[in-house]
Amino acid sequence: GEDVEQSLFLSVREGDSSVINCTYTDSSSTYLYWYKQEPGAGLQLLTYIFSNMDMKQDQRLTVLLNKKDKHLSLRIADTQTGDSAIYFCAESRSAGNMLTFGGGTRLMVKP
Amino acid sequence: GAVVSQHPSRVICKSGTSVKIECRSLDFQATTMFWYRQFPKKSLMLMATSNEGSKATYEQGVEKDKFLINHASLTLSTLTVTSAHPEDSSFYICSARVGSSGRPGEQFFGPGTRLTVL
Repeated sequence: GEDVEQSLFLSVREGDSSVINCTYTDSSSTYLYWYKQEPGAGLQLLTYIFSNMDMKQDQRLTVLLNKKDKHLSLRIADTQTGDSAIYFCAESRSAGNMLTFGGGTRLMVKP
Repeated sequence: GAVVSQHPSRVICKSGTSVKIECRSLDFQATTMFWYRQFPKKSLMLMATSNEGSKATYEQGVEKDKFLINHASLTLSTLTVTSAHPEDSSFYICSARVGSSGRPGEQFFGPGTRLTVL
């Protein structure tokens, strides 16, 4: 079945850039997503990218997609303490289809 | 943004009892709701997809007679864990989708329910 992998933990200093990486196995993935989970809150969609794109920028967020290597990354510029959370990448074959999530990367931002 | 609530947020029950978890979309009508199970340091595992007024579609390996899902209205879905055992202890999360509108793949997630079975 489809598999999505992420590293478990990332620690950065406030003001630095954070890069969270994700790999996936499903070559039929059409949409790739980044979700954010803050303590006590539900997952929130941060951004998504179509598989025919290789980059998408949204304010401090930059998503890079290497479809050949099935590698997705999320770069957060000027990381703030409020960015501390768990970040999940996910993929789906269509816009309304089920999501397959990675295990989540816990981002810790030190002041 | 759209809000999804879950109740209860935490529940502790004895082995053999049944537990019902409610998932409500508070300010929108959810044509589709999803139930996930989250294991420590592991990803969310989709358990089932439910559409209002029809039977839920369960993922492979999920026992439909153990995890009863009822999507009775466009704002409410319930998950009942029947005859719960300690191995059912987990974090259960629901999400809701608004038809075909919204951003692709956007599901609005509830805050989750921590189930502990003694």
